[in-house]
Amino acid sequence: SQTIHQWPATLVQPVGSPLSLECTVEGTSNPNLYWYRQAAGRGLQLLFYSVGIGQISSEVPQNLSASRPQDRQFILSSKKLLLSDSGFYLCAWSRTGLNEKLFFGSGTQLSVL
Amino acid sequence: QKEVEQDPGPLSVPEGAIVSLNCTYSNSAFQYFMWYRQYSRKGPELLMYTYSSGNKEDGRFTAQVDKSSKYISLFIRDSQPSDSATYLCAMSVGRTNNDMRFGAGTRLTVKP
Repeated sequence: SQTIHQWPATLVQPVGSPLSLECTVEGTSNPNLYWYRQAAGRGLQLLFYSVGIGQISSEVPQNLSASRPQDRQFILSSKKLLLSDSGFYLCAWSRTGLNEKLFFGSGTQLSVL
Repeated sequence: QKEVEQDPGPLSVPEGAIVSLNCTYSNSAFQYFMWYRQYSRKGPELLMYTYSSGNKEDGRFTAQVDKSSKYISLFIRDSQPSDSATYLCAMSVGRTNNDMRFGAGTRLTVKP
């Protein structure tokens, strides 16, 4: 069976500090990978998605970036965090192709102070 | 107008009640419809996945899609305290990898 791991679960960072959130998927190959942000009272906002190693599509221009160094690894980064980057970050995967079901990791609650 | 509208609640019901959760949408091209359950501080968990109009039943859960009215529903029968969570609707056109849209979620509490 497939599993998705996301860490850390909670993170408190000062403004201006760097960020690295990591996500890995097990039990499948060549998955589509996604980073979402969830703000209170709002729907999930797609930040980045990837259909393969080194292939990243950005949905929202901001000071975040994503990388996919390995087939089942997806990393969300920032060089300098802003207060507005606080939120609940979710990694997700789906099988290759369209119309595939989306499966989420357990999320990272990021607080930028 | 948001593409997907969902009443945020909160909704509180007694144990055993039938719960009705709803979403409306504006994009008539949506054809894949999903419901996710999200417990506090956890990632969303896929509950129901349907294509086009009609009903789908899975245990105590029934998903309904009415494309003519651009309205989808999730019914929970014999609700349990363990059903207390936020329920998110989601939908997609299915032509790209980035076209899924989510509702804001309805927070449900089932009281014993």
